[in-house]
Amino acid sequence: TQLLEQSPQFLSIQEGENLTVYCNSSSVFSSLQWYRQEPGEGPVLLVTVVTGGEVKKLKRLTFQFGDARKDSSLHITAAQPGDTGLYLCAGVHTGGFKTIFGAGTRLFVKA
Amino acid sequence: EAGVTQFPSHSVIEKGQTVTLRCDPISGHDNLYWYRRVMGKEIKFLLHFVKESKQDESGMPNNRFLAERTGGTYSTLKVQPAELEDSGVYFCASSYGQKDNSPLHFGNGTRLTVT
Repeated sequence: TQLLEQSPQFLSIQEGENLTVYCNSSSVFSSLQWYRQEPGEGPVLLVTVVTGGEVKKLKRLTFQFGDARKDSSLHITAAQPGDTGLYLCAGVHTGGFKTIFGAGTRLFVKA
Repeated sequence: EAGVTQFPSHSVIEKGQTVTLRCDPISGHDNLYWYRRVMGKEIKFLLHFVKESKQDESGMPNNRFLAERTGGTYSTLKVQPAELEDSGVYFCASSYGQKDNSPLHFGNGTRLTVT
């Protein structure tokens, strides 16, 4: 079974704090995506990483792809209430089109 | 550009009934995917169309589920007869490219409740 394990499943923090969400697998992925999902909507792509060791930044969000392309992390600096939502990691295996999703991390940032 | 649209947004049916979900992908996107999330679980792949052809249907749960994409435009997913365990949110997504890192554009999903 090809699984993507996300941790933590739930995170409640105060505004201004930093946090890191992890996505781990025993499988190698050709690419890994991070999505954010709001209630009643579909997932919206935040970033795609494709190279082992790659780091991408999107404002206060930093995404890293592991050297072996089996894991990834999302770091949020100085979290804001607007960051509240469900964060999903998803991976695609080499040569495939099937995207495999993690179960998600539900983040709540309190003002 | 219009995004991926799904209809209906919600559907409540009784066990044994039939339901048909519709997905209109972004114009020009040859790749269309169906995914499903059941309560408390991760989003799971159901199947993938390239134009009108089924590229991969390995995620379809059983033969009560039938997906079509006649003409390579919109797609339908029919569940007949529906069972209680079919309840969940059904997402459709589309993508343009053939590369394995082409971004997926998701619709808002259809929440199906089978009672």
